[in-house]
Amino acid sequence: GQQLNQSPQSMFIQEGEDVSMNCTSSSIFNTWLWYKQDPGEGPVLLIALYKAGELTSNGRLTAQFGITRKDSFLNISASIPSDVGIYFCAGQLYGNNRLAFGKGNQVVVIP
Amino acid sequence: DGGITQSPKYLFRKEGQNVTLSCEQNLNHDAMYWYRQDPGQGLRLIYYSQIVNDFQKGDIAEGYSVSREKKESFPLTVTSAQKNPTAFYLCASSTDRDVQPQHFGDGTRLSIL
Repeated sequence: GQQLNQSPQSMFIQEGEDVSMNCTSSSIFNTWLWYKQDPGEGPVLLIALYKAGELTSNGRLTAQFGITRKDSFLNISASIPSDVGIYFCAGQLYGNNRLAFGKGNQVVVIP
Repeated sequence: DGGITQSPKYLFRKEGQNVTLSCEQNLNHDAMYWYRQDPGQGLRLIYYSQIVNDFQKGDIAEGYSVSREKKESFPLTVTSAQKNPTAFYLCASSTDRDVQPQHFGDGTRLSIL
């Protein structure tokens, strides 16, 4: 199965700062998804993107579907301690319900 | 509340033993999935099922088996043929075969005694 490239792999940020992460692929996707995983728990869906160029927000989170359909980014504004966790991107092709996942970004927020 | 329930949370297996991980959903989702997660890795697909009584192998199906006798249930058996079973196992479901996001359970951590 295909793996997506997520960078950076880990980030240490000061509370209150913004953080951005991106996800790239050599393939085109019809859907981009962003998940957050807390230790010992399953990933929780944060944002789903369905159209190239789409920009969607969920509270302090904003994600965009790249216009080439080969990338996506996620931004967290004004980080707080509970933002700590692993953020995964996933791509999906129309008509194929299998997801390709990135390896995740570990975010650590320093109070 | 609707959701996906995985049990047990922690499971220990002896060498040569088969173990079964449970996954139940009350979301009325057609499709269900099993993933394996290793430290620092993305999720790898073991098996998936788009409809009752049908399932397909994912990328790492060797040493695993599944069944889908009911829409709400998709148990995973880790057989003795799986030589490195220690991992975090995640079950997911989605509404249909089109581009609907998958929703995950809270996982089962399997360890070898």
